[in-house]
Amino acid sequence: EVQLLESGGGSVQPGGSLRLSCGASGFTFSSYAMSWVRQAPGKGLEWVSVISDSGGRTYYADSVKGRFTISRDDSENTLYLQMNSLRAEDTAVYYCAKFAVKVAPGGARKYYFDNWGQGTLVTVSS
Amino acid sequence: DIQMTQSPSTLSASVGDRVTITCRASQSISSWLAWFQQKPGKAPKLLISGASSLESGVPSRFSGSGSGTEFTLTISSLQPDDFATYYCQQYDNYWTFGQGTRVEIK
Repeated sequence: EVQLLESGGGSVQPGGSLRLSCGASGFTFSSYAMSWVRQAPGKGLEWVSVISDSGGRTYYADSVKGRFTISRDDSENTLYLQMNSLRAEDTAVYYCAKFAVKVAPGGARKYYFDNWGQGTLVTVSS
Repeated sequence: DIQMTQSPSTLSASVGDRVTITCRASQSISSWLAWFQQKPGKAPKLLISGASSLESGVPSRFSGSGSGTEFTLTISSLQPDDFATYYCQQYDNYWTFGQGTRVEIK
């Protein structure tokens, strides 16, 4: 059974930093691209960042580009999100999500979220 | 960026009702669409991928259809466990979620 367990959330002042972790089990972590998705209180879902299975490719939403860094440690089966220069609008529950992949007729690979962790709350407030 | 628009935002229904939620993409996404169910305080749960492929363990009363820019999620006979918020999400070009449809008890 796939299990994803986030940690590291908490309260921080604007301009501060936090590092989120996501421990994975129940699948071969190194073989899968992974992602962070967030949900502001009472709001919808927003993908934040993605890292390829090899870790060689990373992607960021415009809202966090230049402030957040995604990384992974395949030896520890752990995904990370380093969040710097935090703003009030970064307040959200942050979910770690595993990707599944389908191959399109032309050979392109399409990635979608198939398993999620329970989330960790980040509150940015003075 | 591809925008996803769901309707309605809120839906009031009774147990046993047939429920349909619509999701529209701002440009064609072929069938690269997923549907998620989320209950309060819980993580989203994948119901359908590829617009119409039911995930393992998801009850058969859930079904998805559509391609291109228009998609629907149908619950054939609403059950008490189905009262939740539903999100569509495109994965053709990066990832974008709809704003959600809350299914509440009438």
